[in-house]
Amino acid sequence: QVQLVESGGGVVQPGRSLRLSCAASGFTLSNYAVHWVRQAPGKGLEWVAVISYDSVNIYYADSVKGRFTISRDNSENTVYLQMDSLRAEDMAIYYCARPADEFVFDWYFDLWGRGTMVTVSS
Amino acid sequence: IQLTQSPSSLSASVGDTVTISCRASQGISSALAWYQQKPGKAPKLLIYDVSTLASGVPLRFSGSGYGTDFTLTIISLQPEDFASYYCQLFNNYPTPNTFGQGTKLEIK
Repeated sequence: QVQLVESGGGVVQPGRSLRLSCAASGFTLSNYAVHWVRQAPGKGLEWVAVISYDSVNIYYADSVKGRFTISRDNSENTVYLQMDSLRAEDMAIYYCARPADEFVFDWYFDLWGRGTMVTVSS
Repeated sequence: IQLTQSPSSLSASVGDTVTISCRASQGISSALAWYQQKPGKAPKLLIYDVSTLASGVPLRFSGSGYGTDFTLTIISLQPEDFASYYCQLFNNYPTPNTFGQGTKLEIK
């Protein structure tokens, strides 16, 4: 079954760190870029970060630049989002998403995970 | 480039036709997509390249537009269409991916 599954969410205090994982199955993740998109409670979608299929191209939203790090392990079919110095405004559901075409990194998404919730609270 | 959707919310009845607007702050190519999101679910791709329906999407959905103004139209609304809708700009180096703020379509 072609799917993305996020994990690693939870409750964390402001200033602490959390690492999210996005595991792929049913397709060759190493041929695809992967994006993270988040959605704060009751709010819209916010693009967070992207890593190209070969890790050469990596981009972040200004709101997370310098605090979040995206990486991938193609041998494990997994993409990670390391989130440091977490703030209250980072609280959201975090989705990973796959572009519709192989090897392109900035494209529309045809596959999304179900999301993992990150709660930042003291 | 910013994307502004309007309206932010919309009430309609089953069988109605609705249009949702997505305006870009400057002219863009055809790199615009639309997503539908239901509560508690991940977004679902509806339309890409302004007007191309994604696989399995009913023909009552359509997209159009050019330059800065784009529209999602749903004719003959069905109960399952009540959801939130987002436009997305892609292929916009060096800022990958921008979403509109969303439009919530509610049943009247």
